[in-house]
Amino acid sequence: DAEITQSPRHKITETGRQVTLACHQTWNHNNMFWYRQDLGHGLRLIHYSYGVQDTNKGEVSDGYSVSRSNTEDLPLTLESAASSQTSVYFCASTRGAGYEQYFGPGTRLTVT
Amino acid sequence: AQKITQTQPGMFVQEKEAVTLDCTYDTSDQSYGLFWYKQPSSGEMIFLIYQGSYDEQNATEGRYSLNFQKARKSANLVISASQLGDSAMYFCAMSPWNYGGATNKLIFGTGTLLAVQP
Repeated sequence: DAEITQSPRHKITETGRQVTLACHQTWNHNNMFWYRQDLGHGLRLIHYSYGVQDTNKGEVSDGYSVSRSNTEDLPLTLESAASSQTSVYFCASTRGAGYEQYFGPGTRLTVT
Repeated sequence: AQKITQTQPGMFVQEKEAVTLDCTYDTSDQSYGLFWYKQPSSGEMIFLIYQGSYDEQNATEGRYSLNFQKARKSANLVISASQLGDSAMYFCAMSPWNYGGATNKLIFGTGTLLAVQP
């Protein structure tokens, strides 16, 4: 069965360190997204990609970057982790307009 | 700016009763999609229902229906015959379009926490 996975599921890191969160989907979707979830804010879009070599900034992109070298993966990098980036991160993918987004299980990141 | 508003931070409902979760949206786009997702305490995001802005009929999926009132810019979720397993956070989301077509990205509301009581 097709799926979308994230790793690690939990991560504790120190302020200033570079961190990369992995996202892998086997749906063969071109559209992939990264969101962060914080209390009182719902989910907010960080970055997204419509295909290989395509990346776009979302609502809360400062301090984050993504790269898309193949269809299956969209890793999210925190260049220099800050305490404000403590959050739950969700990766998602979709076939396109009118179709649901499939979400990964989430990564809980704590920056100390 | 496009925005989703969910005004009910928390709600209670008795088991087997129906419940309506409110959602209003703000957009100047003519085309857009509206979604509802459920997030149980385990944390995963579960798709419930979708409504396109040009769909004339309200979407239904089993016990879930979306009460779509375009002129009022509302997309309320109705859950019929509530079950204990419906206790969760519910998010309304909008997928805007632009001149290039569907963006496919989602703008979420802040969610409504539903508690179903036996």
